[in-house]
Amino acid sequence: DAGVIQSPRHEVTEMGQEVTLRCKPISGHDYLFWYRQTMMRGLELLIYFNNNVPIDDSGMPEDRFSAKMPNASFSTLKIQPSEPRDSAVYFCASSHGDRGLYTEAFFGQGTRLTVV
Amino acid sequence: TQLLKQSPQFLSIQEGENLTVYCNSSSVFSSLQWYRQEPGEGPVLLVTVVTGGEVKKLKRLTFQFGDARKDSSLHITAAQPGDTGLYLCAGAPPGNTGKLIFGQGTTLQVKP
Repeated sequence: DAGVIQSPRHEVTEMGQEVTLRCKPISGHDYLFWYRQTMMRGLELLIYFNNNVPIDDSGMPEDRFSAKMPNASFSTLKIQPSEPRDSAVYFCASSHGDRGLYTEAFFGQGTRLTVV
Repeated sequence: TQLLKQSPQFLSIQEGENLTVYCNSSSVFSSLQWYRQEPGEGPVLLVTVVTGGEVKKLKRLTFQFGDARKDSSLHITAAQPGDTGLYLCAGAPPGNTGKLIFGQGTTLQVKP
């Protein structure tokens, strides 16, 4: 398996523009997570899905952020409108829930977002 | 809100030295994981500890889960430049929700 695939790897956009980040989880994994990483706040969980259903979106900072998982092999994180403080590395991760306490999260390489 | 606090945040040592990184919380976790992240990459799992007091060894790395399952430590013996990276602890809240809460990380630099 190719692992978790995220696109794009880098995104530079102007304030006010819409940004869409994409993720393809590992086949067979039933959990998908979106994290944001910054120097100041570390790795923050934004939202996660189980079997394509959003379970906990309490980490989504504002209504400008939305995430979807239309099927088991694809998820998007959208920011509209984007602001400079959204600049961060956004990670997607997936896991196989049946492993219970030994569930391992597999991370993509991240999307580095810069909003100018 | 369950939080994990890591210390120290930054550590710069010479090759051959020993070090310990701590991960503390006021909350109980079902399990605790340690990840290592290199620049430009996502975190990669090193180990999972589940039982209070559990100790696991991975070559020169020793991981311990506190008796009360609220804290953990990572000890590296005779650090090497290849150990350089960001070390993250992550806790699974009780209830097997699938969720993982991450600490802010410890940036380790091992100088030759």
